[in-house]
Amino acid sequence: DSGVTQTPKHLITATGQRVTLRCSPRSGDLSVYWYQQSLDQGLQFLIQYYNGEERAKGNILERFSAQQFPDLHSELNLSSLELGDSALYFCASSVNPLPGQGRDNEQFFGPGTRLTVL
Amino acid sequence: SQKIEQNSEALNIQEGKTATLTCNYTNYSPAYLQWYRQDPGRGPVFLLLIRENEKEKRKERLKVTFDTTLKQSLFHITASQPADSATYLCALEAGGFKTIFGAGTRLFVKA
Repeated sequence: DSGVTQTPKHLITATGQRVTLRCSPRSGDLSVYWYQQSLDQGLQFLIQYYNGEERAKGNILERFSAQQFPDLHSELNLSSLELGDSALYFCASSVNPLPGQGRDNEQFFGPGTRLTVL
Repeated sequence: SQKIEQNSEALNIQEGKTATLTCNYTNYSPAYLQWYRQDPGRGPVFLLLIRENEKEKRKERLKVTFDTTLKQSLFHITASQPADSATYLCALEAGGFKTIFGAGTRLFVKA
């Protein structure tokens, strides 16, 4: 158990709909990352938050948005869903020290949310 | 363009042998590189991190090397066991705090 929780585990919805995925990081971790993993693609970095602020953006579609709340949990919102959005969505957290602090920055992944768009 | 590549073909080895997995990258200058293990349907699990000024790092049966001149990392599992069968991912920080993962190499260890 990584200490990162994600809800729901499974989500089945229809095209055009909007869903929200939730992530609670490990206790003490300030950074949250979101990734998408589909069968034909590897783990794709979407976005990272650090202590409530957006820190890095990957190939995240405009239909997707995320935020990190004061209690450090994060939500990923996916709207106008398309068939191609069906994938496993992972959240990860890390301590994410500031540069120069010399600590390792391993990421701890949650169990994922499997999204199926019909 | 920037790329991170791992052997796309599965690696099949016999129990007890050493498995060696390769991660190559182009047009990045990562401060460190990480290796993760992923089992089907589960989230990746962190294994090892190696920094740009480190040539080699070990943890139990695992060994990672990092050659910034060749832009390559090798991941070794010695005395492999069937329980080591999984997909192994390399990842690097691609600047601007982005983390980029390779597509992974599937390892099958036969008893």
